[in-house]
Amino acid sequence: DTGVSQNPRHKITKRGQNVTFRCDPISEHNRLYWYRQTLGQGPEFLTYFQNEAQLEKSRLLSDRFSAERPKGSFSTLEIQRTEQGDSAMYLCASSRTSGGSYEQYFGPGTRLTVT
Amino acid sequence: AQSVTQLDSQVPVFEEAPVELRCNYSSSVSVYLFWYVQYPNQGLQLLLKYLSGSTLVKGINGFEAEFNKSQTSFHLRKPSVHISDTAEYFCAVEGAQKLVFGQGTRLTINP
Repeated sequence: DTGVSQNPRHKITKRGQNVTFRCDPISEHNRLYWYRQTLGQGPEFLTYFQNEAQLEKSRLLSDRFSAERPKGSFSTLEIQRTEQGDSAMYLCASSRTSGGSYEQYFGPGTRLTVT
Repeated sequence: AQSVTQLDSQVPVFEEAPVELRCNYSSSVSVYLFWYVQYPNQGLQLLLKYLSGSTLVKGINGFEAEFNKSQTSFHLRKPSVHISDTAEYFCAVEGAQKLVFGQGTRLTINP
């Protein structure tokens, strides 16, 4: 069990550029979540997948954001035409569906700075 | 809909003193509650969770929490804190397959 990994750990980009983040979940976990955390706040849910299906998207996920999990393993989160308000920590988590609550394990996050 | 309120944004305590971080929740469905810790520039690590059963839940690093249904609370406690406990602590409730977090409590340990 190597844990959830995220790449890159830090990304600095200029406003208007596109960025893509990658998340590799724990191997046997079929659920994958994306959260966004701004300074001084708790994480906020963005979207989640069960296997390759995207089951829910938050209203926070504008049309500039897109997430994929093509083979039910790793996931990517793309932000197009970045804005300064997109600066945040993007957290990925994974879990498995095995009755009851689904404990989520978090990665180290990708910190995005839009200049 | 679920929501979480962490009543203190910052809690300063002296080393080896006891600490309590307060959390109140609102949920219209079965209640699954969590406390996570976040060290600087890192992701979240699960401290403990309440799913059902005993209302006193023990977690890692000597932390424990008590689920109180009548007061809709899930306060986190530690009898004696260490410098290494300095971090941000988040209470969360699970609702509709996702976690809803509070705004966090920054725990600062003074020597």
